[in-house]
Amino acid sequence: GAGVSQSPRYKVAKRGQDVALRCDPISGHVSLFWYQQALGQGPEFLTYFQNEAQLDKSGLPSDRFFAERPEGSVSTLKIQRTQQEDSAVYLCASSPILGTEAFFGQGTRLTVV
Amino acid sequence: AQSVTQLDSQVPVFEEAPVELRCNYSSSVSVYLFWYVQYPNQGLQLLLKYLSGSTLVKGINGFEAEFNKSQTSFHLRKPSVHISDTAEYFCAVISNQGGKLIFGQGTELSVKP
Repeated sequence: GAGVSQSPRYKVAKRGQDVALRCDPISGHVSLFWYQQALGQGPEFLTYFQNEAQLDKSGLPSDRFFAERPEGSVSTLKIQRTQQEDSAVYLCASSPILGTEAFFGQGTRLTVV
Repeated sequence: AQSVTQLDSQVPVFEEAPVELRCNYSSSVSVYLFWYVQYPNQGLQLLLKYLSGSTLVKGINGFEAEFNKSQTSFHLRKPSVHISDTAEYFCAVISNQGGKLIFGQGTELSVKP
Protein backbone atom coordinates (compact mmCIF):
# COMPACT_ATOMS: atom_id res chain seq x y z
CA GLY A 1 0.00 0.00 0.00
CA ALA A 2 0.92 3.66 -0.16
CA GLY A 3 1.45 3.99 3.56
CA VAL A 4 0.71 2.55 6.97
CA SER A 5 -3.00 2.16 7.41
CA GLN A 6 -4.75 1.96 10.77
CA SER A 7 -8.36 1.16 11.49
CA PRO A 8 -10.61 2.31 12.89
CA ARG A 9 -9.54 5.97 13.01
CA TYR A 10 -11.79 6.58 15.99
CA LYS A 11 -13.18 4.17 18.54
CA VAL A 12 -15.44 4.84 21.50
CA ALA A 13 -15.63 1.99 23.96
CA LYS A 14 -17.57 1.56 27.15
CA ARG A 15 -15.48 0.79 30.19
CA GLY A 16 -14.97 -2.95 30.42
CA GLN A 17 -15.39 -3.54 26.69
CA ASP A 18 -12.72 -5.31 24.64
CA VAL A 19 -11.29 -3.51 21.59
CA ALA A 20 -9.10 -4.53 18.65
CA LEU A 21 -7.02 -2.04 16.69
CA ARG A 22 -5.65 -2.98 13.30
CA CYS A 23 -2.46 -1.94 11.57
CA ASP A 24 -1.59 -2.62 7.92
CA PRO A 25 2.11 -1.82 7.48
CA ILE A 26 3.80 -0.91 4.25
CA SER A 27 4.24 -4.05 2.18
CA GLY A 28 7.57 -5.74 2.78
CA HIS A 29 8.41 -3.84 5.95
CA VAL A 30 10.08 -6.11 8.45
CA SER A 31 9.67 -4.12 11.66
CA LEU A 32 6.39 -3.01 13.16
CA PHE A 33 5.96 -0.83 16.23
CA TRP A 34 3.00 0.14 18.42
CA TYR A 35 2.95 3.34 20.45
CA GLN A 36 0.49 4.96 22.84
CA GLN A 37 0.21 8.74 22.76
CA ALA A 38 -1.69 10.50 25.51
CA LEU A 39 -2.94 14.03 24.91
CA GLY A 40 -0.06 16.50 24.90
CA GLN A 41 2.57 13.79 25.33
CA GLY A 42 5.14 12.09 23.19
CA PRO A 43 4.53 8.59 21.84
CA GLU A 44 5.26 5.91 24.42
CA PHE A 45 6.60 2.59 23.17
CA LEU A 46 4.34 -0.42 23.65
CA THR A 47 5.79 -3.28 21.63
CA TYR A 48 7.60 -4.19 18.44
CA PHE A 49 7.80 -7.05 15.98
CA GLN A 50 10.40 -8.20 13.55
CA ASN A 51 8.40 -10.19 11.02
CA GLU A 52 6.09 -12.35 13.14
CA ALA A 53 8.34 -12.40 16.18
CA GLN A 54 7.46 -10.08 19.04
CA LEU A 55 10.92 -9.02 20.16
CA ASP A 56 10.00 -6.51 22.84
CA LYS A 57 6.76 -6.06 24.73
CA SER A 58 8.20 -4.24 27.69
CA GLY A 59 6.02 -1.18 27.12
CA LEU A 60 2.66 -2.92 27.36
CA PRO A 61 1.11 -1.33 30.47
CA SER A 62 -0.72 -4.39 31.75
CA ASP A 63 -1.71 -7.92 30.86
CA ARG A 64 -4.92 -6.47 29.40
CA PHE A 65 -2.86 -5.41 26.40
CA PHE A 66 -1.95 -7.97 23.78
CA ALA A 67 -0.45 -7.61 20.29
CA GLU A 68 0.03 -10.10 17.51
CA ARG A 69 1.39 -10.23 13.98
CA PRO A 70 0.81 -13.87 13.02
CA GLU A 71 1.94 -13.76 9.38
CA GLY A 72 4.50 -11.00 9.66
CA SER A 73 2.35 -8.37 7.99
CA VAL A 74 -0.93 -7.11 9.52
CA SER A 75 -0.86 -6.55 13.27
CA THR A 76 -3.62 -6.27 15.84
CA LEU A 77 -3.42 -4.58 19.22
CA LYS A 78 -6.06 -5.89 21.57
CA ILE A 79 -7.10 -4.27 24.81
CA GLN A 80 -9.28 -6.27 27.14
CA ARG A 81 -11.62 -4.80 29.74
CA THR A 82 -10.83 -1.22 28.73
CA GLN A 83 -10.34 1.39 31.42
CA GLN A 84 -10.58 5.18 31.19
CA GLU A 85 -6.82 5.49 31.45
CA ASP A 86 -6.53 3.57 28.18
CA SER A 87 -7.95 6.58 26.34
CA ALA A 88 -5.21 7.73 23.96
CA VAL A 89 -4.12 7.70 20.36
CA TYR A 90 -2.55 4.40 19.36
CA LEU A 91 0.07 4.77 16.66
CA CYS A 92 1.47 2.05 14.47
CA ALA A 93 4.72 2.37 12.51
CA SER A 94 6.69 0.13 10.19
CA SER A 95 10.21 0.21 8.84
CA PRO A 96 12.00 -1.82 6.18
CA ILE A 97 15.32 -2.48 7.95
CA LEU A 98 17.15 -1.43 11.04
CA GLY A 99 18.26 2.17 11.16
CA THR A 100 15.92 3.49 8.52
CA GLU A 101 13.01 5.71 9.31
CA ALA A 102 9.80 4.41 10.80
CA PHE A 103 6.71 5.30 8.78
CA PHE A 104 3.70 6.10 10.92
CA GLY A 105 0.01 5.59 10.37
CA GLN A 106 -2.52 8.27 11.30
CA GLY A 107 -3.39 6.52 14.52
CA THR A 108 -6.53 5.26 16.20
CA ARG A 109 -8.05 7.57 18.78
CA LEU A 110 -9.55 5.43 21.53
CA THR A 111 -11.96 7.04 23.97
CA VAL A 112 -13.17 4.94 26.89
CA VAL A 113 -16.37 6.23 28.48
CA ALA B 1 18.71 2.00 27.46
CA GLN B 2 18.21 5.30 25.72
CA SER B 3 16.34 8.43 26.74
CA VAL B 4 15.48 11.74 25.10
CA THR B 5 14.90 15.15 26.64
CA GLN B 6 13.35 17.99 24.74
CA LEU B 7 14.22 21.08 26.69
CA ASP B 8 11.34 23.30 25.63
CA SER B 9 7.70 22.25 25.78
CA GLN B 10 6.52 25.33 23.86
CA VAL B 11 8.32 27.69 21.51
CA PRO B 12 6.44 30.74 20.26
CA VAL B 13 8.08 32.61 17.40
CA PHE B 14 7.14 35.22 14.82
CA GLU B 15 6.91 34.40 11.15
CA GLU B 16 10.22 34.67 9.24
CA ALA B 17 12.25 34.52 12.47
CA PRO B 18 14.83 31.77 13.06
CA VAL B 19 14.05 28.95 15.46
CA GLU B 20 15.94 26.25 17.35
CA LEU B 21 14.26 23.30 19.06
CA ARG B 22 16.56 21.60 21.52
CA CYS B 23 17.04 17.87 22.03
CA ASN B 24 19.45 16.00 24.28
CA TYR B 25 19.77 12.26 24.47
CA SER B 26 21.33 9.69 26.74
CA SER B 27 22.71 6.34 25.63
CA SER B 28 25.52 3.94 26.51
CA VAL B 29 25.76 2.78 22.88
CA SER B 30 25.87 4.47 19.51
CA VAL B 31 22.54 5.69 18.27
CA TYR B 32 20.59 6.90 15.30
CA LEU B 33 18.66 10.16 15.78
CA PHE B 34 15.47 11.47 14.20
CA TRP B 35 13.18 14.49 14.20
CA TYR B 36 9.50 13.97 13.44
CA VAL B 37 6.70 16.53 12.98
CA GLN B 38 3.08 15.96 13.92
CA TYR B 39 0.26 18.14 12.65
CA PRO B 40 -3.09 18.07 14.50
CA ASN B 41 -4.92 14.75 14.20
CA GLN B 42 -2.16 13.31 12.04
CA GLY B 43 0.51 10.69 12.41
CA LEU B 44 4.21 11.50 12.60
CA GLN B 45 6.18 12.54 9.54
CA LEU B 46 9.96 12.29 9.34
CA LEU B 47 11.77 15.63 9.01
CA LEU B 48 15.34 14.34 9.04
CA LYS B 49 17.63 11.67 10.43
CA TYR B 50 21.24 11.17 11.49
CA LEU B 51 22.71 7.71 10.95
CA SER B 52 26.40 8.43 10.42
CA GLY B 53 28.76 10.69 8.49
CA SER B 54 28.31 14.45 8.34
CA THR B 55 27.03 15.81 11.62
CA LEU B 56 24.92 18.46 9.88
CA VAL B 57 21.86 16.90 8.31
CA LYS B 58 19.29 18.61 6.14
CA GLY B 59 15.67 17.62 6.00
CA ILE B 60 12.41 18.58 4.43
CA ASN B 61 10.74 21.99 4.66
CA GLY B 62 14.05 23.80 5.16
CA PHE B 63 14.87 22.21 8.52
CA GLU B 64 18.34 21.06 9.52
CA ALA B 65 19.88 19.53 12.64
CA GLU B 66 23.37 19.10 13.99
CA PHE B 67 24.56 16.00 15.81
CA ASN B 68 26.95 16.85 18.64
CA LYS B 69 28.33 13.69 20.20
CA SER B 70 30.28 15.41 22.99
CA GLN B 71 27.20 17.29 24.14
CA THR B 72 24.83 14.43 23.28
CA SER B 73 22.59 16.87 21.47
CA PHE B 74 20.64 16.94 18.22
CA HIS B 75 19.08 20.40 17.97
CA LEU B 76 16.69 21.25 15.14
CA ARG B 77 16.95 24.60 13.38
CA LYS B 78 15.26 26.61 10.67
CA PRO B 79 16.50 30.02 9.56
CA SER B 80 13.08 31.44 8.71
CA VAL B 81 9.80 29.87 9.83
CA HIS B 82 6.39 30.00 8.20
CA ILE B 83 2.91 29.91 9.68
CA SER B 84 2.59 26.42 8.22
CA ASP B 85 5.43 25.18 10.46
CA THR B 86 3.11 25.40 13.46
CA ALA B 87 3.02 21.83 14.78
CA GLU B 88 4.40 19.48 17.42
CA TYR B 89 8.00 18.35 16.93
CA PHE B 90 9.46 15.16 18.38
CA CYS B 91 13.07 14.10 18.74
CA ALA B 92 13.67 10.34 18.78
CA VAL B 93 16.58 7.94 19.27
CA ILE B 94 17.22 4.27 18.56
CA SER B 95 20.24 2.13 19.32
CA ASN B 96 22.27 1.23 16.23
CA GLN B 97 21.87 -2.37 17.40
CA GLY B 98 18.13 -2.20 16.96
CA GLY B 99 15.22 -2.15 19.34
CA LYS B 100 12.66 0.44 20.12
CA LEU B 101 12.49 4.03 18.92
CA ILE B 102 12.34 6.30 21.97
CA PHE B 103 10.65 9.70 21.74
CA GLY B 104 10.97 12.92 23.68
CA GLN B 105 7.94 14.65 25.12
CA GLY B 106 7.64 17.01 22.19
CA THR B 107 7.99 20.74 21.52
CA GLU B 108 5.01 22.72 20.37
CA LEU B 109 6.15 25.27 17.80
CA SER B 110 3.71 28.15 17.41
CA VAL B 111 4.43 30.58 14.58
CA LYS B 112 2.65 33.91 14.85
CA PRO B 113 2.11 36.44 12.05
